[in-house]
Amino acid sequence: KAGVTQTPRYLIKTRGQQVTLSCSPISGHRSVSWYQQTPGQGLQFLFEYFSETQRNKGNFPGRFSGRQFSNSRSEMNVSTLELGDSALYLCASSLTGQGAGEQYFGPGTRLTVT
Amino acid sequence: ILNVEQSPQSLHVQEGDSTNFTCSFPSSNFYALHWYRWETAKSPEALFVMTLNGDEKKKGRISATLNTKEGYSYLYIKGSQPEDSATYLCAGSFNAGNMLTFGGGTRLMVKP
Repeated sequence: KAGVTQTPRYLIKTRGQQVTLSCSPISGHRSVSWYQQTPGQGLQFLFEYFSETQRNKGNFPGRFSGRQFSNSRSEMNVSTLELGDSALYLCASSLTGQGAGEQYFGPGTRLTVT
Repeated sequence: ILNVEQSPQSLHVQEGDSTNFTCSFPSSNFYALHWYRWETAKSPEALFVMTLNGDEKKKGRISATLNTKEGYSYLYIKGSQPEDSATYLCAGSFNAGNMLTFGGGTRLMVKP
């Protein structure tokens, strides 16, 4: 069974640009969550989608947005990039929509903003 | 603001030593506690998900316990091996969705 995949794996952008990251969950999983990892802040929750609906959103500015498609693939978008957006972005998929289900993480997208 | 805290931040042990880490979390609105192992350049790997007070889970040499009333979980590694070197993360779920609040992690280094 294929794991969670994320594309691209590495990305370099300039301040002010926008970026779109993609996450393909494990086949059959309907929940996709996104996390940001920075050295100073650790892993922080961005948002969660279940069956194309955003169910939870973390404490991030509106420049961070996402969506989920009918095949459960998800994208997150960051507009007007800032230097502080440089981070590792991880997505995780889960079979269930409940917090007690295992979540499987992808390898992440390393975003560098210059 | 929900705070999930882990201690210690880092740990150096010799091969063969047994070790344990602590994760503390708010006991109100608790739903589940997750443990992950995260090796450098790899994806975080799920170890355990626990929901009930008194839960104990085991996978090989690694085990975990949960106390939801006092808000803590312990992760134990028996007979540490160099391949156990990784960052161990705990994360709490405080609602019915999949939003996880992570602790800062414990970085374990096992010397041969």
